[in-house]
Formats: sequence, structure tokens, C-alpha cells
Amino acid sequence: AQKVTQAQTEISVVEKEDVTLDCVYETRDTTYYLFWYKQPPSGELVFLIRRNSFDEQNEISGRYSWNFQKSTSSFNFTITASQVVDSAVYFCALSGYNAGNMLTFGGGTRLMVKP
Amino acid sequence: DAGVIQSPRHEVTEMGQEVTLRCKPISGHNSLFWYRQTMMRGLELLIYFNNNVPIDDSGMPEDRFSAKMPNASFSTLKIQPSEPRDSAVYFCASSTGQGSGNTIYFGEGSWLTVV
Repeated sequence: AQKVTQAQTEISVVEKEDVTLDCVYETRDTTYYLFWYKQPPSGELVFLIRRNSFDEQNEISGRYSWNFQKSTSSFNFTITASQVVDSAVYFCALSGYNAGNMLTFGGGTRLMVKP
Repeated sequence: DAGVIQSPRHEVTEMGQEVTLRCKPISGHNSLFWYRQTMMRGLELLIYFNNNVPIDDSGMPEDRFSAKMPNASFSTLKIQPSEPRDSAVYFCASSTGQGSGNTIYFGEGSWLTVV
């Protein structure tokens, strides 16, 4: 069975603050893939990043960075110098090797960035 | 390039009516997914097609729900008869490949309200 837990249901920050969204996962597969998606107020789901279980290097893309730690089964997402446009619900998701392409989503974290 | 295209974007219908949601996956993608998003249950996978064949429909709630993929560029999700508890956002998504871990791209969703 696969499970993704996003313990933070809602986070509120002031613009320019850094914020980290936590994601903890469970899977019995030794090969698996982790994803983050963004759901802005308009409702669509936007792909942000994909990581496979053999690549533990941290990734940085502009103000976004991701920290993958197999030892703690975590795949956390940090936004540096947050902006109002970052306000959205962010979902972490997992696809185990034996699950084909099927994603298991966490419950999401609603991020509110105030000006 | 066009993303996953869903229609209608919004639908309000009366209980007991038939609802048909439509999806055009990204050209060249051979896996298609239907997800449902509700406040109570989050994002749930309803059904997964690969090369137009249903691979896993274990998430389909009950016999009132049916999904078809008559060709590589079109899929439908039908609810007959609809009930108020079917009110949700229904996302169609697509990806390449049959293996695991491919990135799944989502449409903008169909917002269904059953009154």
C-alpha cells in the first residue's frame, strides 16, 4: 500500500518569507517516484517536479527547492522569498514501481501568502 | 502544445440526470486517468486506461459510473443517474508510457454540481 501524508493543512506567511511544505510517504516498493503539484485558486493541477527514488540530490528551480531524504521518507518543498502568486494548494504524490503510473496524493497543504 | 482538454468546465444538473464528462488527452500520450477531487476525500483515482484499455477501475464508486476510451484521443466519464454526493471536480489526466513513474499532466477539471 502507498500513503502520502502532508501534515500541514494550511500555512500562512507574509510575502518574502521562506516557507517549507512537508511531505512524508510510505511505500513497499524500492523503486518509486515522487511528485509535487500546485493547484492555484483557478483550480487546475500544475506539475512542478518529479523525482525517482534513486536520485537523492536536492533540486532547485528558481525560488523553489526540494529536499528528498530516503532515510526519513520525506520529500519537502521550500519556497524562498514567497510571493502572493505562490498562494495555492500544493500536493505531494507518490507512484510506486508496482503501481504503474497511478498516483497516490497527499491531502494537500493550502499556502496563503499575504502581501 | 495543447494540454489535456476537458469539457464541460462547469456543469450544474439535477439529481437523476445523466452527466457525461469528456476528455482529450495530450497527443501521443497513451495513458489516461480520471480523478475525482472532493473536500472530504481529496484526490482519488477513479479509472486508468492504457492504450485505450481500462487497466484499473477499482476506484469507480459504483455502477452508476462508467468510463470509455473509444480511441487514443477521446474519453468519457458518465454518471447515470447522478446524485448530489457526486458533486466534485473531475480531472482527466494523461501520460506517456505504460511503465511506472511517468509524469501525469492534468486538465483544468470539470466542476460538477448535482442539485
